[in-house]
Amino acid sequence: AQTVTQSQPEMSVQEAETVTLSCTYDTSESDYYLFWYKQPPSRQMILVIRQEAYKQQNATENRFSVNFQKAAKSFSLKISDSQLGDAAMYFCAYRRRANFGNEKLTFGTGTRLTIIP
Amino acid sequence: KAGVTQTPRYLIKTRGQQVTLSCSPISGHRSVSWYQQTPGQGLQFLFEYFSETQRNKGNFPGRFSGRQFSNSRSEMNVSTLELGDSALYLCASSSAPGRVGTEAFFGQGTRLTVV
Repeated sequence: AQTVTQSQPEMSVQEAETVTLSCTYDTSESDYYLFWYKQPPSRQMILVIRQEAYKQQNATENRFSVNFQKAAKSFSLKISDSQLGDAAMYFCAYRRRANFGNEKLTFGTGTRLTIIP
Repeated sequence: KAGVTQTPRYLIKTRGQQVTLSCSPISGHRSVSWYQQTPGQGLQFLFEYFSETQRNKGNFPGRFSGRQFSNSRSEMNVSTLELGDSALYLCASSSAPGRVGTEAFFGQGTRLTVV
């Protein structure tokens, strides 16, 4: 079974600074997807960034980027120029790649990010 | 384009009762998944439906069941409610299950409180 571990229950960062959230995972699969989701107080899960395991290049989305280390099974999220709106719970998630019929996401326990004005 | 809609947003039920939660996916999406979120257990996968067929099921007792209709709308049902069923229930939809480039879009959830 796949597991996802987020070892930082809480993190804080000064506005405009950079913060990195850690995630490790365990799987015997060679092909899979990794995601970072954000859950603000509104409770809606919002996709932040996605990484396909077969791609060596790290994914980036504006101020968000990942450091994907497949051999180490590590998938960290870097948020640059932190903004007040980034305050939320961040979840790392794993999904096995299948041609059809596998949408199951395995989530980590989350990291609560606080932005200090 | 409307997002994933879950109804109701809040629900209070008594132990022993049953409850039905509804999820309307994004138009055109045919895959719907359900998750339970609690402070103690975190986010746990309940089940996944595609074209009215359950394709995957998490490790939950038989009191938890679901179904999907021909218009892709999904319902989940919990019978004989227990206090431990109090949770945020999240629904997610996607357009092409399992394929490259697709992602799950989540609704705002239904907060169920069992008293």
